Amino acid sequence: EIVLTQSPATLSVSPGERATLSCRASQSITSNLAWYQQKPGQAPRLLIFGASIGATGVPPRFSGSGSETEFTLTISSLQSEDFAVYYCQQYSNWPQTFGQGTKVEIK
Amino acid sequence: EVQLLESGGGLVQPGGSLRLSCAASGFTFSNYGMSWVRQAPGKGLEWVSSIRFSGDTTYYADSVNGRFTISRDNSRNTLYLQMNSLRAEDTALYFCAKAGRGDIVVVPNARAPNAWGQGTLVTVSS
Repeated sequence: EIVLTQSPATLSVSPGERATLSCRASQSITSNLAWYQQKPGQAPRLLIFGASIGATGVPPRFSGSGSETEFTLTISSLQSEDFAVYYCQQYSNWPQTFGQGTKVEIK
Repeated sequence: EVQLLESGGGLVQPGGSLRLSCAASGFTFSNYGMSWVRQAPGKGLEWVSSIRFSGDTTYYADSVNGRFTISRDNSRNTLYLQMNSLRAEDTALYFCAKAGRGDIVVVPNARAPNAWGQGTLVTVSS
């Protein structure tokens, strides 16, 4: 099973600032990685798949990069609605696995 | 608009069974793979199971393999999860999720769910 490790666990950011979230895979997953946003009491929302492809309707301030074992989600200028928990997911191998999440909170 | 509506959750004793359903609308259900993902209270996401658009190929997490069965009825636009031999650690909110475009067996990017239901809560307790 591929293990995904997200860092940091919590990220404190001021509105308008840039946020950089990391996801590391225990083995190569090429570009088979997705990022999700989850707000309290809501279902997850797909942001990025294929490591860098924006999902439909996702604002351009969200971008993904990386390949093999190192991946990054960048939010270029945090808006109030972006404070949430973010998960990465690999689907290169079965079973699919998720990272433990990074909580982005208001500084 | 894609809609996924889960039902069938509830309180069940350890060792018991439950069948979850997910009614899909707003897209051609028979063309897409589907998945179940769960989230224990206050915890992260855990993938549970996926099924091919045709229903002939299924995948399971090790934690549920042999106890849970995913299935679908394309004539009813409905996804199912039969859960047997339930344990306390199966307590979670269970989400139904729609795969992306393509066959999940051969197109990896199709495996990233792009639409989710609101979930149904399963509580396993005596």
